[in-house]
Order: sequence, then C-alpha cells, then structure tokens
Amino acid sequence: NAGVTQTPKFRVLKTGQSMTLLCAQDMNHEYMYWYRQDPGMGLRLIHYSVGEGTTAKGEVPDGYNVSRLKKQNFLLGLESAAPSQTSVYFCASIPGLAGTGEQFFGPGTRLTVL
Amino acid sequence: GDSVTQMEGPVTLSEEAFLTINCTYTATGYPSLFWYVQYPGEGLQLLLKATKADDKGSNKGFEATYRKETTSFHLEKGSVQVSDSAVYFCALTRGGAQKLVFGQGTRLTINP
Repeated sequence: NAGVTQTPKFRVLKTGQSMTLLCAQDMNHEYMYWYRQDPGMGLRLIHYSVGEGTTAKGEVPDGYNVSRLKKQNFLLGLESAAPSQTSVYFCASIPGLAGTGEQFFGPGTRLTVL
Repeated sequence: GDSVTQMEGPVTLSEEAFLTINCTYTATGYPSLFWYVQYPGEGLQLLLKATKADDKGSNKGFEATYRKETTSFHLEKGSVQVSDSAVYFCALTRGGAQKLVFGQGTRLTINP
C-alpha cells in the first residue's frame, strides 16, 4: 500500500503558466481533499470531493480547478499561476463517513511561482 | 464560521521537559477534535483525536482532553524527547464532508 502519493514533489513556474498536480490513493477512499500550507496560517482547504465525479469548493478556491474522474485520483489545476499561489500543497483522503475521521495525507508538493 | 486558535510558536524546550501546547476552538454543534504532527519534510499524520466532550485522546505519550466548557483541546506530554521536534496542528471537523479546519501550527524544537 503506497497510501496517498503526490506528483510532482517540487515545481517552479513562471507567472501565467499552467500546471496540474496529481494526487493518487490506493485505499479505495471515497473523500479526497486539497489543502495549501502557508507559513503562520496552518492548512487551508482549496477544494474537496465526496465521490467520483463530484467536487466542491473549500475555503480558498479562487485560481484553482479540480477534477475527480476516477475514484483513486484527484487533480488540482492552476490555469494561470500567480506568485500568491507559491505554497506547499497537500492532498488527503478518508474512507468516507464510515471512517474514524482521520485524514491520510500525502507528502506534499512544493510549488514556487516566480 | 468554525475556527481553531493555537498558542504562538515557536516553542523550544530541553529534553525531558513538560510540554503544553494550547488549543481553543470556535464551532457550533459538536465537532471532533484532532492533533496532527508534521515531521520535517513530511506530510501530516494523526497524533490523537477525541470525538465528544470529556474524551481523552492519547498516543506516544501525548494526551489531550476535549473540554467543551472551555472549548479547548490542549496537547500535553510529560517528558519530551528530541524526536518530538516537529510542527503540531490542532484541528476540528464538523459536518458530513469531514472538512478539517486547522490552527496555524506550533513549531516545537527539543534540545538535547
């Protein structure tokens, strides 16, 4: 079991470029989440999904889009990157409402936008 | 909306010292409360949790008690080790989507 994996681990973009971050989980979890971590602000929820084909906005969704075409994958897209999107991005998953509430996190993607 | 407030960091202690990291929350209803830990260069992992008032979560010598009357979930450990050096996050969930609301995190450094 690899758990939750994230691709890539590091990325540097120029302002205006686009990219997609991939989150994959092999635990058959229903719910998946994208967070961003900024110094002094903890983690903030960007978007989440409660099942294949569904997505919803979190606390800080502007400038991001997501897709959940397959249950095991949750993609986070930046259409036109801005320096304010420089952050560490974490993906997480849970089985669903039947779980213990524990979220399982990936190792993170460090993104720098110049 | 729901929110979590942690004590300001960073916190630096000597090995075998007593640790307290304060956490208070604001939420309607009855949230579940969590402490997550992030070791350098890694993702977050669950340290302990409590799902109802007066529950005590414990793991690896750490403890926290869900106090509804003071809306608090303070993290304690009687004798810290160098290996406890990490960033600690207090968090809550409430509602069907189980979305986590995090505090700002407290960086803990333990010196030998």
